Amino acid sequence: GENVEQHPSTLSVQEGDSAVIKCTYSDSASNYFPWYKQELGKRPQLIIDIRSNVGEKKDQRIAVTLNKTAKHFSLHITETQPEDSAVYFCAGELSGNTPLVFGKGTRLSVIA
Amino acid sequence: DTGVSQNPRHKITKRGQNVTFRCDPISEHNRLYWYRQTLGQGPEFLTYFQNEAQLEKSRLLSDRFSAERPKGSFSTLEIQRTEQGDSAMYLCASSLGQGKETQYFGPGTRLLVL
Repeated sequence: GENVEQHPSTLSVQEGDSAVIKCTYSDSASNYFPWYKQELGKRPQLIIDIRSNVGEKKDQRIAVTLNKTAKHFSLHITETQPEDSAVYFCAGELSGNTPLVFGKGTRLSVIA
Repeated sequence: DTGVSQNPRHKITKRGQNVTFRCDPISEHNRLYWYRQTLGQGPEFLTYFQNEAQLEKSRLLSDRFSAERPKGSFSTLEIQRTEQGDSAMYLCASSLGQGKETQYFGPGTRLLVL
């Protein structure tokens, strides 16, 4: 089955700096990779996703890159702000509409 | 609020009791998923439905766990004879299906077994 590894488990950055979170997956057939942000006590919320037919996707300060050969994908947050502080989860999906396999999460702290 | 809703939001029960949680998906979403999340971990898949059909249930944690979606709309997750190790956040998510993979999560039900 699919396995998703996420690093680092914690990350602290100064406000305005960039943050990068990396994930690797095991099943080369996986084709959908969402990223969720979860604030304390709240539901996971989708912030960006990428499908295996593209290598990069950007939405304002957030971007995701995918390297299918190496089976890894990364989340990039630029110009970080205190409100970016949360736990971020990557996930992989084997094929359309099958259950997501989540990484263990990265706790991001943005220091003002 | 047209998002995924879950009830109750919190449940405290004594070991050995049965509990049932409800999930109402986004209207017209035909896929519904249940996940469990423990502290410091990502959501862990339990089971999912395509309309009323339960397509995967082998990941349910034990035979004490069961789920239903009788009319293809809301779903219930039941845990029988609860144990302290069942204490966790139970999350529900839904997706449109038909090639639209994005899963939207509900606020979760936090279970505490004493």
